[in-house]
Amino acid sequence: QSVLTQPPSVSGAPGQRVTISCTGSSSNIGAGYDVHWYQQLPGTAPKFLIYRNSNRPSGVPDRFSGSKSGTSASLAITGLQAEDEADYYCQSYDSSLSGFYVFGTGTKVTVL
Amino acid sequence: EEQLVESGGGLVKPGGSLRLSCAAFRFPFSNAWMSWVRQAPGKGLEWVGHIKSKSDGGTTDYAAPVKGRFTISRDDSKYTLFLQMNSLKAEDTAVYYCTTDFHGGNPHLLGYWGRGTLVTVSS
Repeated sequence: QSVLTQPPSVSGAPGQRVTISCTGSSSNIGAGYDVHWYQQLPGTAPKFLIYRNSNRPSGVPDRFSGSKSGTSASLAITGLQAEDEADYYCQSYDSSLSGFYVFGTGTKVTVL
Repeated sequence: EEQLVESGGGLVKPGGSLRLSCAAFRFPFSNAWMSWVRQAPGKGLEWVGHIKSKSDGGTTDYAAPVKGRFTISRDDSKYTLFLQMNSLKAEDTAVYYCTTDFHGGNPHLLGYWGRGTLVTVSS
């Protein structure tokens, strides 16, 4: 089971700002491990969207941004667009016995 | 453009075995760490395990649910990654994705993803 908790869904009208939280613990995000974010469009494989907490790979619009503080991280989408409707997952490393790479529970973003 | 193509999925009975392959194109496969990630129908992502590059030791690590049953290997001469799955259970039913790992030197970043191959475990 996932050790990183995300809200199941968030929604917003086109142009609005939405945020997705990713809550971990002292064995993963709180231990200082980086958080990466992935976007999974319907029927497709995931692709990485934000890496090392707040960095965007080339080709990702600057309306996507990430941050990390304490045992949590968040992804913000400003100026929401119809093509942003997708599932979003955070991911980090966990040093506990259940360990290694851990994903968040996933958040469905719906554009109203 | 870099590409990963999985194959080998299908229907298998509980207790059976299956071997997945992942062919890599247009990137330096032998230098890459590689991971397998799975996604059960309608569910979230779950990391399965990874194999480091031979220059980094070529060792493997696995998630607890598959440790002892699944084995990851690689053939750098054929640009191919493998996932041998034994003692399969119904809960192993999922789409299995092959991904690059430690992408761009970033720890535990899963960079390139294949399109996935579906494994169904059912009697």
